[in-house]
Amino acid sequence: QKEVEQNSGPLSVPEGAIASLNCTYSDRGSQSFFWYRQYSGKSPELIMSIYSNGDKEDGRFTAQLNKASQYVSLLIRDSQPSDSATYLCAVIFTSKFYFGSGTKLNVKP
Amino acid sequence: GAGVSQTPSNKVTEKGKYVELRCDPISGHTALYWYRQSLGQGPEFLIYFQGTGAADDSGLPNDRFFAVRPEGSVSTLKIQRTERGDSAVYLCASSLGPSGQGNEQFFGPGTRLTVL
Repeated sequence: QKEVEQNSGPLSVPEGAIASLNCTYSDRGSQSFFWYRQYSGKSPELIMSIYSNGDKEDGRFTAQLNKASQYVSLLIRDSQPSDSATYLCAVIFTSKFYFGSGTKLNVKP
Repeated sequence: GAGVSQTPSNKVTEKGKYVELRCDPISGHTALYWYRQSLGQGPEFLIYFQGTGAADDSGLPNDRFFAVRPEGSVSTLKIQRTERGDSAVYLCASSLGPSGQGNEQFFGPGTRLTVL
């Protein structure tokens, strides 16, 4: 059973703060990890991909991967109200994507 | 270039009817995926095409669901004898090759299916 677990939230942070979103996965064979953002009523939009242990930064976003702990996280610095959305963690195993149920983020002005 | 497109954007049908949902992937993308997303859940894998063939159809819930991709581009998801439980947003995604390092998936806008 391949599982991807996320806290459903909502996670509320004030504007300008750091939002930290977490994801754990069950399959040690997983090699590719992704974060998608999904606004209400819209389809998922790719934010970050990460394949190696450590940190990967892209603008205000940093993805962190720890394969030994089967843990991947997304940090959003200087959070903006426009970042308010559901963030989906996705893990690939044998060419198939497994998605978590998402964490809802609210950034308060 | 154009992204993934899906038609129709909304489909309302009656229980027992047949529906077809269409996906047009990004040009040049050989891999195509269908997902189903219910409210408050992440996308649930249905089927994966690599070229014209279904490389993995293990997510199709039962034999009422079928998908084709005859020319390796446009794909159609077909649902027979629809049931109220089939109501969901059906998402299509494509990637340049088999999803993995360097081959991220890009999603279409989805088709919202409502079975009355």
